[in-house]
Amino acid sequence: EAQVTQNPRYLITVTGKKLTVTCSQNMNHEYMSWYRQDPGLGLRQIYYSMNVEVTDKGDVPEGYKVSRKEKRNFPLILESPSPNQTSLYFCASSSAGGGQPQHFGDGTRLSIL
Amino acid sequence: AQSVTQLDSHVSVSEGTPVLLRCNYSSSYSPSLFWYVQHPNKGLQLLLKYTSAATLVKGINGFEAEFKKSETSFHLTKPSAHMSDAAEYFCVVSASSNTGKLIFGQGTTLQVKP
Repeated sequence: EAQVTQNPRYLITVTGKKLTVTCSQNMNHEYMSWYRQDPGLGLRQIYYSMNVEVTDKGDVPEGYKVSRKEKRNFPLILESPSPNQTSLYFCASSSAGGGQPQHFGDGTRLSIL
Repeated sequence: AQSVTQLDSHVSVSEGTPVLLRCNYSSSYSPSLFWYVQHPNKGLQLLLKYTSAATLVKGINGFEAEFKKSETSFHLTKPSAHMSDAAEYFCVVSASSNTGKLIFGQGTTLQVKP
C-alpha cells in the first residue's frame, strides 16, 4: 500500500529538548515536504526536498532542520524546541515536477511545554 | 506570485442538500489546482485536481469542481451532502510550474446537520 508514515503521532516534551520526527514514503517519490498546521492559517511549508541531498527552506523554516540522505526518508529535527513550535505537523511526498498531487502522512501532534 | 483564498471559513448544510465551498486563486501562469479533505485526526486526502485539461473536474465521493479562468475561481460542489462529508476542506494551488511546492488556503470547515 502506498503510504507516508510519520512517527511519533503524538509527543509532549519540554523546551530545549532536541527531538526528531521521522517521515518515510514507499512510493519512490523525489519530492518531500514538511508542513505545520495551525488554526486559521492552513498549512505552511517548513522545508522541502527535491531529491536526495537537495533541501531548501519553505515559508516558516526558523527553528527547524531537515536532512535527505535517502530517497525514502525525510526527518524533521527541532534542535531546541520552543512553545511556539507546538503544532500539528505533516509530511508529504510527490513525484517530481510541478502540478503533482502530494500524498500526506497522518500527522504528528507536538506539544512543547 | 501564487495565492489562494477560501471565501468561507465555515459552511453548514443539511444532509441531502447541495454543498458549495468557494475558492479564488491568483496565479501568474496556468496553475494546477487541487482540493484536499481532512477528517479529524487524519492527514489530507486528495479529492480532485485540475491541470489544464477539462475545466469541470470530477473527484472522489461525488465531489466536483469547475475551473473558471475569467473569475479566477475553483469552487467545490456536491449535489447532496452526506454526514460523512463533515470535515475540513483545503483549496490548493501549485506555487510554480517546475517544483512540487503547494500553497494552501486557510481551510473551510463543512458541518453537515441531520
